Amino acid sequence: DIQLTQSPSSLSTSVGDRVTITCRASQSISTYLNWYQQIPGTAPKLLIYATSYLQSGVPSRFSGSGSGTDFTLTISSLQPEDFATYYCQQSFTTPLYTFGQGTKLEMK
Amino acid sequence: QVQLVQSGAEVKKPGASVKVSCKASGYTFTTHYIHWVRQAPGQGLEWMGVINPSSGSTDYAQKFQDRVTVTRDKSTSTVYMELSSLRSDDTAVYYCARVVTGSSWHDYWGQGTLVTVSS
Repeated sequence: DIQLTQSPSSLSTSVGDRVTITCRASQSISTYLNWYQQIPGTAPKLLIYATSYLQSGVPSRFSGSGSGTDFTLTISSLQPEDFATYYCQQSFTTPLYTFGQGTKLEMK
Repeated sequence: QVQLVQSGAEVKKPGASVKVSCKASGYTFTTHYIHWVRQAPGQGLEWMGVINPSSGSTDYAQKFQDRVTVTRDKSTSTVYMELSSLRSDDTAVYYCARVVTGSSWHDYWGQGTLVTVSS
């Protein structure tokens, strides 16, 4: 099974900060990597698919990059509504998927 | 607009089974896959399985292989996820989510169904 490891697990940050979250796969997954945002009490929301493509309606401050085993999600200037938990997901082994353990952004 | 509407919260005793429904609307039901993902309290997302609504073929995570069954009813555009031999650690919110054929990401999600397993 492919394992995904996100870092950090949590991050104390402030509005306006540039935030980078990493996701490392246990083996190469090409660019089959997606990112989701989850606000407590709600379903996850797709942010970025296939490593770097922004889902419709998602603000351009979100971006993704990487390939192989190392991937990043970057928020260029954190907004109040971005305090949430972020998950990476691999779909290389489609239709069987796995998620990372999540990264929680907290207000400093 | 695309919607996935799930059934309401359930409380079950250990050893029982639960069946959660996910009704799709706003698109052609048989065209896209429906996946199931769960989230235990305070924990991360865990992928469980998938169904092709057109053929009815399924795939499951190895962890759930012997306890989960996903089915569909094309006449009502509804997918069902049944989990048997429930344990306390099956207490979680269960989500259905769509994957468009030809893609490999969940673009729409249901609202979630809380299943509580308690004696």
